[in-house]
Amino acid sequence: QVQLVESGGGVVQPGGSLRLSCAASGFTFSSNAMHWVRQAPGKGLEWVAFIRYDATNKYYAESVKGRFTISRDNSKNTLYLQMNSLRTEDTALYYCAKVPYPYSSGWYFDNWGQGTLVTVSS
Amino acid sequence: QSVLTQPPSVSGAPGQRVTISCTGSSSDIGAGYDVHWYQQLPGTAPKLLLHGDNNRPSGVPDRFSGSKSGTSASLAITGLQAEDEADYYCQSYDNSLSTWVFGGGTKLTVL
Repeated sequence: QVQLVESGGGVVQPGGSLRLSCAASGFTFSSNAMHWVRQAPGKGLEWVAFIRYDATNKYYAESVKGRFTISRDNSKNTLYLQMNSLRTEDTALYYCAKVPYPYSSGWYFDNWGQGTLVTVSS
Repeated sequence: QSVLTQPPSVSGAPGQRVTISCTGSSSDIGAGYDVHWYQQLPGTAPKLLLHGDNNRPSGVPDRFSGSKSGTSASLAITGLQAEDEADYYCQSYDNSLSTWVFGGGTKLTVL
């Protein structure tokens, strides 16, 4: 079955950097676009970033544009989120999520990981 | 502030029917983009509940259904059960922002 396992979260000071990873299994990772979605403590869901199956297209939320970079290594079945210039408002549980159909942009998210917590605090 | 608007909370007694609204605009729901719904039980990751306005993934009971009209959509839950107590989120795509968008979420309380 599909498994998405996030890692790399932790506590970082404002202005710092972190790289999140999402290890995928149970499906053909190299054929599926992927997303990052975050949820601040006690708040709702916020879409963060998208990457096409072949990494030729990437999109970002305005709130993270220029600071976060989404990438993937299809040989390792792993999705990444490089987060730079972190702000206190980036504190959240970060989920990776897959799209349902291969070779499509995927308008929704059919499987989610359990999330990794990022805390930005001095 | 979320692009899609949902009521913060709804409640109902076991066995009753409740609906959760999701209001968007001409650049998302009104532009014809599908609405999808997620259920988030306390302390867990979101789970896909409905996709493409009213399609249930395998394993989702037919007590859950969706509809869409104009710039709004709704999730209906019939025969309310205690296990339905959760947060529910609608989601679509905004072509003016070129982003995937969520509603602010609705907390369902089963009385």
